[in-house]
Amino acid sequence: QKEVEQNSGPLSVPEGAIASLNCTYSDRGSQSFFWYRQYSGKSPELIMFIYSNGDKEDGRFTAQLNKASQYVSLLIRDSQPSDSATYLCAVNEGGFKTIFGAGTRLFVKA
Amino acid sequence: EAQVTQNPRYLITVTGKKLTVTCSQNMNHEYMSWYRQDPGLGLRQIYYSMNVEVTDKGDVPEGYKVSRKEKRNFPLILESPSPNQTSLYFCASSPGANQPQHFGDGTRLSIL
Repeated sequence: QKEVEQNSGPLSVPEGAIASLNCTYSDRGSQSFFWYRQYSGKSPELIMFIYSNGDKEDGRFTAQLNKASQYVSLLIRDSQPSDSATYLCAVNEGGFKTIFGAGTRLFVKA
Repeated sequence: EAQVTQNPRYLITVTGKKLTVTCSQNMNHEYMSWYRQDPGLGLRQIYYSMNVEVTDKGDVPEGYKVSRKEKRNFPLILESPSPNQTSLYFCASSPGANQPQHFGDGTRLSIL
């Protein structure tokens, strides 16, 4: 059974701090990695995607991928109260299925 | 506006009464998928479709059917709903299976 694991949290950080969200996956052949943000009662929305080892930055968000260690992380710099949400890690192994983690709840305290 | 549209948004029904949740996308995406979301379990894939007339099972297909007769539409059918299918359902689409998905607003189903 292919798995994607995330710490359920909640992760609480003060406003302006860096929030670090982590995700591990079991299928070594995985090729595509995604971070989605989901506000309570809303649908998931894409934050970042990454296909290659290393870092990918977009504004305050950085995705980090380490295929050898089978983990992918999301860093949120200068965290804002509006970043408070559940963050879902998703992995595609190169086929037609995408597996989601259960999500990490993030609280940013003003 | 690029969007995935699901209907209905909310439905309360009874065990055994067939229902269909519709999903339509206007982005000409080839790949479409249905997920259910339950507390503590995240999103679990029910069925997916790679293109018209091409569908396959996800991780939790039991009790569900789908069809893809047109590229834009991907309905989810519960022929004999049971209470364990009470959940929040999302339809999603993307240009390909390994690309970011665009989600609909969700359908909350309650089966009594």
